[in-house]
Amino acid sequence: QKEVEQNSGPLSVPEGAIASLNCTYSDRGSQSFFWYRQYSGKSPELIMFIYSNGDKEDGRFTAQLNKASQYVSLLIRDSQPSDSATYLCAVNPSGTYKYIFGTGTRLKVLA
Amino acid sequence: EAGVTQFPSHSVIEKGQTVTLRCDPISGHDNLYWYRRVMGKEIKFLLHFVKESKQDESGMPNNRFLAERTGGTYSTLKVQPAELEDSGVYFCASSQVGTGSGYTFGSGTRLTVV
Repeated sequence: QKEVEQNSGPLSVPEGAIASLNCTYSDRGSQSFFWYRQYSGKSPELIMFIYSNGDKEDGRFTAQLNKASQYVSLLIRDSQPSDSATYLCAVNPSGTYKYIFGTGTRLKVLA
Repeated sequence: EAGVTQFPSHSVIEKGQTVTLRCDPISGHDNLYWYRRVMGKEIKFLLHFVKESKQDESGMPNNRFLAERTGGTYSTLKVQPAELEDSGVYFCASSQVGTGSGYTFGSGTRLTVV
């Protein structure tokens, strides 16, 4: 079992729809969770981080964390073609400074 | 504020040669990290510096890889001798205090060993 699992996609959604990206993790002691967006050939760019169970909203983005079920998700409302990218889930295990990344989900927003 | 700078952006070398990658973190960021993504795989941690000290090098694949951060500013990652499986994109990241609000990544160095 991989430490952080994501569906590789591609996930295709029409412009204006809600895109839902999911991530599960194996280390129950993990404390911090991050979503990065990566355009092809570019650096990963931090979108959101979340520590506590529940929802955290920032503009069109909502991160959801459920530690009991060991999953974290990212919702993108009113998806735009410019949101088309690979979304990386990263988990910070307790007691370390490193991140464990998933392989990423490729999102395509269709105009 | 300047971001994390890496160079070269691309490097093609022959098997057995040496390559040195450089990373300049954001000014004032004590924490510097190296990660690597090989084709089709996830981004994987290599090591973590706090200022000039190696805090965690558990991800370094073998002793052909040597990372330094003299003076606690920029860092270098040397691969000597390079092997085919070292090909990939090497990312550097930095953060000011811990990992609480996430790292800032550089644009990466694409290394191809032929």
